[in-house]
Amino acid sequence: KNEVEQSPQNLTAQEGEFITINCSYSVGISALHWLQQHPGGGIVSLFMLSSGKKKHGRLIATINIQEKHSSLHITASHPRDSAVYICAVPLNTDKLIFGTGTRLQVFP
Amino acid sequence: DSGVTQTPKHLITATGQRVTLRCSPRSGDLSVYWYQQSLDQGLQFLIQYYNGEERAKGNILERFSAQQFPDLHSELNLSSLELGDSALYFCASSVAWGHSPLHFGNGTRLTVT
Repeated sequence: KNEVEQSPQNLTAQEGEFITINCSYSVGISALHWLQQHPGGGIVSLFMLSSGKKKHGRLIATINIQEKHSSLHITASHPRDSAVYICAVPLNTDKLIFGTGTRLQVFP
Repeated sequence: DSGVTQTPKHLITATGQRVTLRCSPRSGDLSVYWYQQSLDQGLQFLIQYYNGEERAKGNILERFSAQQFPDLHSELNLSSLELGDSALYFCASSVAWGHSPLHFGNGTRLTVT
């Protein structure tokens, strides 16, 4: 079993739809990262959170440390949101382990 | 723009060769991390430096080495290259270690032929 599991692996949506991507992990952590990887390959850090909820524009990330689960929500999705979304957790302070990613395609 | 600069963007080389990837961290960041992303393994942590010292080591092969210089830029050296080393290599930086946000470079795409 992978230490970090994401679902779904692939997601297609129509523009305007509400998107949810899930991440479950099996190790004890105190923070979790959500990353976005563009089709060109570049990686952008979206959130680092250790409790509750964070919001940035149309993106919302939540985490439940007790249940070892995090979700990334995208409201009013847009074709420019098409990317791979990756969650990552630290195994030992700085050794991040990564989920396999969720490939999102938003169609106009 | 993350402020993290990686060079070169693309590198094509032959098996058995040695290459050096370079990373300049965001201004003010003391930690530098190296990651490898291959098609079959996904993203993997290789190594971390903090203010010139190695701080954490991940799945880094013995053929690979890295260092962080006094000006805080870092280099990742890959030697005796094999076809399986073809991957995207990312550098990221952060202010400190632990729970600091990461800033990623655009990566170096290495192709070994």
